[in-house]
Amino acid sequence: DAKTTQPPSMDCAEGRAANLPCNHSTISGNEYVYWYRQIHSQGPQYIIHGLKNNETNEMASLIITEDRKSSTLILPHATLRDTAVYYCIVPPLPGNAGNMLTFGGGTRLMVKP
Amino acid sequence: DSGVTQTPKHLITATGQRVTLRCSPRSGDLSVYWYQQSLDQGLQFLIQYYNGEERAKGNILERFSAQQFPDLHSELNLSSLELGDSALYFCASSPTPASGTDTQYFGPGTRLTVL
Repeated sequence: DAKTTQPPSMDCAEGRAANLPCNHSTISGNEYVYWYRQIHSQGPQYIIHGLKNNETNEMASLIITEDRKSSTLILPHATLRDTAVYYCIVPPLPGNAGNMLTFGGGTRLMVKP
Repeated sequence: DSGVTQTPKHLITATGQRVTLRCSPRSGDLSVYWYQQSLDQGLQFLIQYYNGEERAKGNILERFSAQQFPDLHSELNLSSLELGDSALYFCASSPTPASGTDTQYFGPGTRLTVL
């Protein structure tokens, strides 16, 4: 599975967009980029995933560069409840070897009033 | 609510003891995963089961074992407990289709404290 690199921490003002970057330069052609977040010792929460095209759901938008070597998670209007550690993960493709998630350090996002 | 349930929420026990953590996956999900989160190690993958069979193993100690039952619920057994086993234990489940992506959904976790 491809290694990912994220900044350790970021701040964002409440109501503003939070843009969380991730580098995954060794990603292979069929591997997806996943984003999860963990709010203070709760179970990690799935946010969004994508392959090539930009994706949007009710929680966030995911922008993937054309070369797929990096991506940005966008929380359009951050609230205090979005304060969490955000993880960018490229898991192995499903198969007999398993598709476990490897959590790095993530980005600790602090949303401030 | 992810649809994954874990019991108990909290567990306090003594060194040397044995405990069992239980996980019920989302309806229809065939894979169950166990992860450990301790203060100094972060979230680490322990083991994956797919439809009753072990599929992948991570950094799981020999004192730990798991199984997935025919109804697809899973149990993680921790024995000869040590202080360092104190951690949050998360279970996740996913459908694991034959091809394509496979999104994992996590339960709320079990907090284990070994005294």
